[in-house]
Amino acid sequence: GENVEQHPSTLSVQEGDSAVIKCTYSDSASNYFPWYKQELGKRPQLIIDIRSNVGEKKDQRIAVTLNKTAKHFSLHITETQPEDSAVYFCAARSLLEYGNKLVFGAGTILRVKS
Amino acid sequence: GAVVSQHPSWVICKSGTSVKIECRSLDFQATTMFWYRQFPKQSLMLMATSNEGSKATYEQGVEKDKFLINHASLTLSTLTVTSAHPEDSSFYICSALGRQGRGTFGSGTRLTVV
Repeated sequence: GENVEQHPSTLSVQEGDSAVIKCTYSDSASNYFPWYKQELGKRPQLIIDIRSNVGEKKDQRIAVTLNKTAKHFSLHITETQPEDSAVYFCAARSLLEYGNKLVFGAGTILRVKS
Repeated sequence: GAVVSQHPSWVICKSGTSVKIECRSLDFQATTMFWYRQFPKQSLMLMATSNEGSKATYEQGVEKDKFLINHASLTLSTLTVTSAHPEDSSFYICSALGRQGRGTFGSGTRLTVV
């Protein structure tokens, strides 16, 4: 089945700097890659997603890039703010698995220092 | 749109009792429901996948007789933790997949077994 690896596990940046989180996946049949932000004790919130027919997608300060050949995708946050501090999860959906389930990465704790 | 309601948000129960968690899609039909468990500082681990009207598919290592899943309608799925033990204490969260292809998470249930 699908396996998603996420790096780094923790990331500290200064307010205003950029943050990059990277994920790799194993199943070349995966075609949907969402990113979630989770604050302590709350549900994961979808912040951006990308499908395999697109190489890059941007939404204000957040962007995601996808390299299908290398099977990796990255989250880019520019001009970070303290409220960006949270745990970020990447995920991949494998169409070969029953129910189109999402497989999550281990998460990245992002701390934005003001 | 795409709102998923999950109840209760937290529950404390005695060891040996059963707890039922409900997940409802409020404004869309959830063709598939996913149930996840998340231990502190860890990622979301898929427990099972269910489609409306059919039996759930459990992930390896998840006891189907202990974690009963019912997906009786396109808007409601329930997870019952039977004979709960302290090691079952965790954050349980559902995700509903609609026809639009994006999963929406419930608000999660913090279960504490004492």
